[in-house]
Amino acid sequence: NAGVMQNPRHLVRRRGQEARLRCSPMKGHSHVYWYRQLPEEGLKFMVYLQKENIIDESGMPKERFSAEFPKEGPSILRIQQVVRGDSAAYFCASSPPVPDTEAFFGQGTRLTVV
Amino acid sequence: QKEVEQDPGPLSVPEGAIVSLNCTYSNSAFQYFMWYRQYSRKGPELLMYTYSSGNKEDGRFTAQVDKSSKYISLFIRDSQPSDSATYLCAIPGGGTSYGKLTFGQGTILTVHP
Repeated sequence: NAGVMQNPRHLVRRRGQEARLRCSPMKGHSHVYWYRQLPEEGLKFMVYLQKENIIDESGMPKERFSAEFPKEGPSILRIQQVVRGDSAAYFCASSPPVPDTEAFFGQGTRLTVV
Repeated sequence: QKEVEQDPGPLSVPEGAIVSLNCTYSNSAFQYFMWYRQYSRKGPELLMYTYSSGNKEDGRFTAQVDKSSKYISLFIRDSQPSDSATYLCAIPGGGTSYGKLTFGQGTILTVHP
């Protein structure tokens, strides 16, 4: 059973471009969570999605950031008009549709904005 | 006040030492407490979790919760160079999901031979 797959592992974007980060959850997992890890800071929750639904986006910046988890395909975290401050590691985690179960993290996408 | 606070270290110990990693939390309603380990350039992996107060042991690792002082600890016995990583305490929130977590800042641990 493959783990949580994130791609690309590294992404370089110029200021003003769009960044798309993809996350394929583990088989049988229908819950996806996105986190951001800024340099010198801990992991911060961004958004919690289930298939075709955003459950909790309390950690998402109000502008330029959006997330989706379609019925088919991976979850996408989209950052429009990237700025230098968006440079960070973005992690995705997934869990099965069962209460009180662990979420498993992917290896992350390291976004660098130049 | 942050919900979870953790001394970021860094912490450097010789091989074989006992390591103590600690976090404090603010909300007395928290019941589950988790410790994650994150190797450099990797995603976090769950190391241990505990419910309510008391100790939980798994091999060389012991997790301890003191709810009266809102203090959680992770002890590593006979530390090895392979234990060198960042250790993050975490508290789940948001209904029954253990995927929405509030993390401490993480403590960078180096175990040198």
